[in-house]
This record gives sequence, structure tokens and C-alpha cells, in this order.
Amino acid sequence: GENVEQHPSTLSVQEGDSAVIKCTYSDSASNYFPWYKQELGKGPQLIIDIRSNVGEKKDQRIAVTLNKTAKHFSLHITETQPEDSAVYFCAAQNNAGNMLTFGGGTRLMVKP
Amino acid sequence: DSGVTQTPKHLITATGQRVTLRCSPRSGDLSVYWYQQSLDQGLQFLIQYYNGEERAKGNILERFSAQQFPDLHSELNLSSLELGDSALYFCASIPGLNTDTQYFGPGTRLTVL
Repeated sequence: GENVEQHPSTLSVQEGDSAVIKCTYSDSASNYFPWYKQELGKGPQLIIDIRSNVGEKKDQRIAVTLNKTAKHFSLHITETQPEDSAVYFCAAQNNAGNMLTFGGGTRLMVKP
Repeated sequence: DSGVTQTPKHLITATGQRVTLRCSPRSGDLSVYWYQQSLDQGLQFLIQYYNGEERAKGNILERFSAQQFPDLHSELNLSSLELGDSALYFCASIPGLNTDTQYFGPGTRLTVL
């Protein structure tokens, strides 16, 4: 089955700096890669996603890049703010389209 | 607010007991997924239902079962509970069978003492 690895497990940055979280996946047939943000006591919330036919997608301060050949994708957050502090999860969806495999999560801390 | 609701928010019970967790998907969504989130295992897919029928199974224990009712709400039943079952349980819903974006509920925190 699919295996998704996520790094780093914790990331501390100063407010205004950029943050990058990286994920690799094992199944070359996976075709959909969402990123979720989970705040304390809440469920994961989708923040951005990318499909396998696209190399990059941007939404304001958040961007995701995908390298299908290398089977890795990354989340980039620019101009970080304290409210960006949360746990971020990457995921890969299987070819059948019915199962998400999640990475282990990254705890991002943005220091004011 | 994702539109997915889960009850109860917290549940404390003893080993050996049985509990039922409830999920109501977003209005119009036909498919429901259940996930377990524990500290050492991250988010693990348990099971998917679509319009009342089981569609996919993940790492779900035999002590666990689920169903989706005609009104599309779903219940996850956990029996013979063990300490290791303590975790957050999330459900997520999507409109169709294999539409990409899953919308998660706020979760149920289960504590087994």
C-alpha cells in the first residue's frame, strides 16, 4: 500500500519567515495530494491541494509543489504569522480514489 | 466549520466496554470516512461508506464496526475496549464516491481507563 513520509516533525520559525514542509510518497499511481491544517482540539482542515497533472499551485501565502518523478511534494508558507501555528499533515490519495494515506504531521510553531 | 458534525465530543469509559460514535456528513454528501488519530500512529484510515454500503476498509480492528443509515449519518461501534483504543476519532465526508476533497468533523476524543 501507499506510504507517506513527512519531514520535519517539528518546525520553529520567526514571524515573517518562510516555512517548508516536505513529503514523499511510495505509490506512483497516487494522483491527489491534499494538505491539512489541524489546530488544537479541532479536526483537520484542508488548506490546499494539488493533482498529479499540475506541478505547482498557489493560494495567497501558501503554495504546494509536486515532483511526480521523484514522488515528493512540498508545502511552502511565506510571511508566517502566529496564527499559522498548528500541526500540518500531507496526504496522498490512492488510484482508486477512495483512501487517503497521511504523513506523520509537522508541528509548526511561529514565534512572534 | 466544515459542516460535518460528530457526537459526543468527549467520551470516557472503561476497558471491556462498548461505545458508539456518531457522525452526520455535510448536507448532500453521500460518502463517509472514519479515521483514528492516536499519538503514535497519526491519522489512520479505518473504513469508508457510500450511500449505506461499505466501500473500503483500512486498518480497522475486528472489534470495531461501522454502518451508514438511510439518512446518511454513520455510526462507529467500538467494543471490548482496550487502553490502546484511546484516541481521537474523526469522520470526513465527500459528495460522491471518489471526489477528492474530504471535509473533516471536529472529532470525538475517546479515553479508555
